[in-house]
Amino acid sequence: DSGVTQTPKHLITATGQRVTLRCSPRSGDLSVYWYQQSLDQGLQFLIQYYNGEERAKGNILERFSAQQFPDLHSELNLSSLELGDSALYFCASSVSGQETQYFGPGTRLLVL
Amino acid sequence: GDSVTQMEGPVTLSEEAFLTINCTYTATGYPSLFWYVQYPGEGLQLLLKATKADDKGSNKGFEATYRKETTSFHLEKGSVQVSDSAVYFCALIVSQGGSEKLVFGKGTKLTVNP
Repeated sequence: DSGVTQTPKHLITATGQRVTLRCSPRSGDLSVYWYQQSLDQGLQFLIQYYNGEERAKGNILERFSAQQFPDLHSELNLSSLELGDSALYFCASSVSGQETQYFGPGTRLLVL
Repeated sequence: GDSVTQMEGPVTLSEEAFLTINCTYTATGYPSLFWYVQYPGEGLQLLLKATKADDKGSNKGFEATYRKETTSFHLEKGSVQVSDSAVYFCALIVSQGGSEKLVFGKGTKLTVNP
């Protein structure tokens, strides 16, 4: 158990819908990262937050957004969902900087 | 840009066989290097890491040495077990302007047969 929690574990929804994925980092970790794992793209970095502020953006679509709240949990919002958004979404956390990132169990999203 | 290349799988071995999964990287500077493992139906777990040249990371019988000259971080285990069956990802960390992200290889699926 990494100490990073993610909910829900599974999510099935329809095209055009909007969903919210939630992540709670390890106690004491200020950085939260979101990654997408799909069969064709592999593991890709989406976005990083540090203590409530956005620090870096990767290959994140404009239909996707995220935020980190004062209690340091983070949410990833996916809207106008398409079939191709079906993937495993991971959250990771670290203390900061070059420290190791610890991953949650992921949320498996299926868009029908 | 920074990237990681690891050997394509799948790799199938018999129990107690020797394992090598090759990983090479392209990066500006000298990033920390990682191996993560994903067991069936589970998330990513850190297996081992190395933060500077010639460092050797080790865990659960797995080892990898940070080789600056060959820009490599190959994963090895002397005697694999059925329980090692999983997907293994090599990764490096990219730091820029106060932000960090992991860049992953495509993963290598290992199956160990009894």
